[in-house]
Amino acid sequence: DAGVIQSPRHEVTEMGQEVTLRCKPISGHNSLFWYRQTMMRGLELLIYFNNNVPIDDSGMPEDRFSAKMPNASFSTLKIQPSEPRDSAVYFCASSSSGEGNQPQHFGDGTRLSIL
Amino acid sequence: AQSVTQPDIHITVSEGASLELRCNYSYGATPYLFWYVQSPGQGLQLLLKYFSGDTLVQGIKGFEAEFKRSQSSFNLRKPSVHWSDAAEYFCAVGSGGFKTIFGAGTRLFVKA
Repeated sequence: DAGVIQSPRHEVTEMGQEVTLRCKPISGHNSLFWYRQTMMRGLELLIYFNNNVPIDDSGMPEDRFSAKMPNASFSTLKIQPSEPRDSAVYFCASSSSGEGNQPQHFGDGTRLSIL
Repeated sequence: AQSVTQPDIHITVSEGASLELRCNYSYGATPYLFWYVQSPGQGLQLLLKYFSGDTLVQGIKGFEAEFKRSQSSFNLRKPSVHWSDAAEYFCAVGSGGFKTIFGAGTRLFVKA
């Protein structure tokens, strides 16, 4: 079975540039989550979607961050403009439920470095 | 509010020794409980889950966890640790109507 697929695996870019992270959830899953992981702050939930609709974006740090899910098989997380403090590993996860009663399946993450 | 506490930031055990990682949760009703493992450079992988029924649940890679309602705990155990078990372990709690809350993680070091 194909798991959650994220691209790119690594991204290095200069401050001020636009960054787009991509995620393909597991087929049939109706919930999708974006997380950010750093040493200082651990694993943070940024936003989650249910049936392609954003349900909770309270974790999105600033207006520079935006996320979309145009269909059930694709989501993007965009940072514009990027800043060095955005450097982190970004994970996408999907689940058959967004209500916490089913496990989440994680991709391998995108390691983002902003210079 | 829901919360998850993993009291140990890191633990070191000898290969072949037993392991117990602690997890305490806060939630009014019976929660859904999970343990995940994260190896370097990878995402979190589900080890096991508890929804209801038998309070001792078995997972992958020889791990088990026991739900103790009276102690609000869901500790992870393994009878004999292998070097490949070195990783970070996350406890998580969820419930119908609420998003899953993850603990801060416990990093496991295994010494030869």
